[in-house]
Amino acid sequence: QKEVEQNSGPLSVPEGAIASLNCTYSDRGSQSFFWYRQYSGKSPELIMSIYSNGDKEDGRFTAQLNKASQYVSLLIRDSQPSDSATYLCAVNPSTTSGTYKYIFGTGTRLKVLA
Amino acid sequence: SAVISQKPSRDICQRGTSLTIQCQVDSQVTMMFWYRQQPGQSLTLIATANQGSEATYESGFVIDKFPISRPNLTFSTLTVSNMSPEDSSIYLCSVAGGTDNEQFFGPGTRLTVL
Repeated sequence: QKEVEQNSGPLSVPEGAIASLNCTYSDRGSQSFFWYRQYSGKSPELIMSIYSNGDKEDGRFTAQLNKASQYVSLLIRDSQPSDSATYLCAVNPSTTSGTYKYIFGTGTRLKVLA
Repeated sequence: SAVISQKPSRDICQRGTSLTIQCQVDSQVTMMFWYRQQPGQSLTLIATANQGSEATYESGFVIDKFPISRPNLTFSTLTVSNMSPEDSSIYLCSVAGGTDNEQFFGPGTRLTVL
């Protein structure tokens, strides 16, 4: 089992819709979770971090964390064509907490159709 | 967040040669990391660059192939030694620090080995 799993996609949504991106992780003791956006040919850009169960909202983005089920998701409301990118989930596992080391998922490619 | 630059942004190298990639940050940071992102893949951590001591390498990466320097809290280099076409990849440095345990990435170096 991979430590951080994401559906590779592509996930296609129409402009204005909600895009839902999911990520599961294997280390139950993980404490820190991050979502990055990566445009083609560019480096990853941090969108959100989440540490506690529940929802965290930032503009059009909402991160959701459920530690009991070991999943974290990212919702993008009012999706725009400019949101088309690969979204990477990253986890700081309990075995490395305090070291800032991340394990990345393979990413989900999102396509927002105009 | 810190401003991170990398040099070179891209290079094409011959098999058997070495390339040194520089990472410069505009402020002092505690943790610096080097990642590799092979075509169509996610990020794989190569090593943690430790200031004033030897880098900490991840499984599958060795110092002889990827020597790293970290002379101060704002600068690090990664050398890719005795290159082969399999080393063709994007190499990224990242920095982390503060209370939020977040990593921020440099723009990356795209390496092609012929």
